Amino acid sequence: QKEVEQNSGPLSVPEGAIASLNCTYSDRVSQSFFWYRQYSGKSPELIMSIYSNGDKEDGRFTAQLNKASQYVSLLIRDSQPSDSATYLCAVTLGNVGSGNTPLVFGKGTRLSVIA
Amino acid sequence: EAGVTQFPSHSVIEKGQTVTLRCDPISGHDNLYWYRRVMGKEIKFLLHFVKESKQDESGMPNNRFLAERTGGTYSTLKVQPAELEDSGVYFCASSPLGLATTQTYEQYFGPGTRLTVT
Repeated sequence: QKEVEQNSGPLSVPEGAIASLNCTYSDRVSQSFFWYRQYSGKSPELIMSIYSNGDKEDGRFTAQLNKASQYVSLLIRDSQPSDSATYLCAVTLGNVGSGNTPLVFGKGTRLSVIA
Repeated sequence: EAGVTQFPSHSVIEKGQTVTLRCDPISGHDNLYWYRRVMGKEIKFLLHFVKESKQDESGMPNNRFLAERTGGTYSTLKVQPAELEDSGVYFCASSPLGLATTQTYEQYFGPGTRLTVT
């Protein structure tokens, strides 16, 4: 089983709709979870971090974490064509002993927002 | 504040040649990570510096890869000799050095170096 799994997409949503991106991870003791956005040919851009179960909102973005189900998601409200990109889920693995740990990435989900 | 910078942005070399990639982290970030994405695959961790010390190099594929971070500032990643399978995008990321025991601090990525070995 892969450590971090994402549906590769493409996920197509109409402009103004809610885009829902999902990610599952295999390591039950993972502690830190991140969503990055990557436009074609560009670097990953951090958009959300989440560490505790529940929801975390930042503008049009909401990250949701369920450690019992080993599941993290990203909702994008009022989707815009400029949101079209690949969204990468990243987690830390193992029992984190410090705040300085490499990330394990999923392959990413390609989102297309149709005007 | 300047972000993470990497040089060069692109490099095309022949098999057997040597290439050196450079990363300048965000000022004050003691953590520096190298990652790589090969075509069709996910981004994968290569190694981690804390200041000038190698904290974790478990992701380095083989001894053709050598990373340094002299003085705890910028880092270089040398590939010698390069092989075809080394082609990909090499990313550098940095984060502050934290004391948290359960949370990993946010990592900020540079633009990457696209390496093509022919």
